[in-house]
Amino acid sequence: AQSVTQLGSHVSVSEGALVLLRCNYSSSVPPYLFWYVQYPNQGLQLLLKYTSAATLVKGINGFEAEFKKSETSFHLTKPSAHMSDAAEYFCAVSYSGNTPLVFGKGTRLSVIA
Amino acid sequence: DAGVIQSPRHEVTEMGQEVTLRCKPISGHNSLFWYRQTMMRGLELLIYFNNNVPIDDSGMPEDRFSAKMPNASFSTLKIQPSEPRDSAVYFCASSLTGRGTEAFFGQGTRLTVV
Repeated sequence: AQSVTQLGSHVSVSEGALVLLRCNYSSSVPPYLFWYVQYPNQGLQLLLKYTSAATLVKGINGFEAEFKKSETSFHLTKPSAHMSDAAEYFCAVSYSGNTPLVFGKGTRLSVIA
Repeated sequence: DAGVIQSPRHEVTEMGQEVTLRCKPISGHNSLFWYRQTMMRGLELLIYFNNNVPIDDSGMPEDRFSAKMPNASFSTLKIQPSEPRDSAVYFCASSLTGRGTEAFFGQGTRLTVV
């Protein structure tokens, strides 16, 4: 079954520090991978997606993620954290155009001033 | 575009009552999904529709849950009778069918069953 694993349910960083949120997927076929962000009391918003074009994907708000097939990973990074980045982040995977996204458990990012 | 619209945003009901959650997908999208979010279980897919037809309802927890999509612009998720363990945030999402297309989420309905 398709799945993603997000390592760390909670990550805390200082403002201005590197943000690294980890996501690994299980797959025997090329996946489509997504990162979503959820701010308190809101729905999920797409940050970026990988669809087999460039392996380094740039998204909104300065986030990017790199697809590494050899590591089955799609980690999310941002060079410098802002207070406004504090939110829940979800990695998701799908394997075809007709199947729903399967989400990881989420990682809550806290940014310390 | 107004995005995916869900109503109500908040619902508080007593155990045993019927609850109906509503969703209007983005115009032109032909796939619709209902998810449930809880602290314990995260985001769970309950059911999804393609071209108004239910494709997979294996995530619906019990027969108390039912979902319909009478047309391309409206879907409902009904719980009858409701129980306290149904308390959660319910999200509706829609997308275009296609490889690598993302889902667009509504703001969610926070359901509390007392």
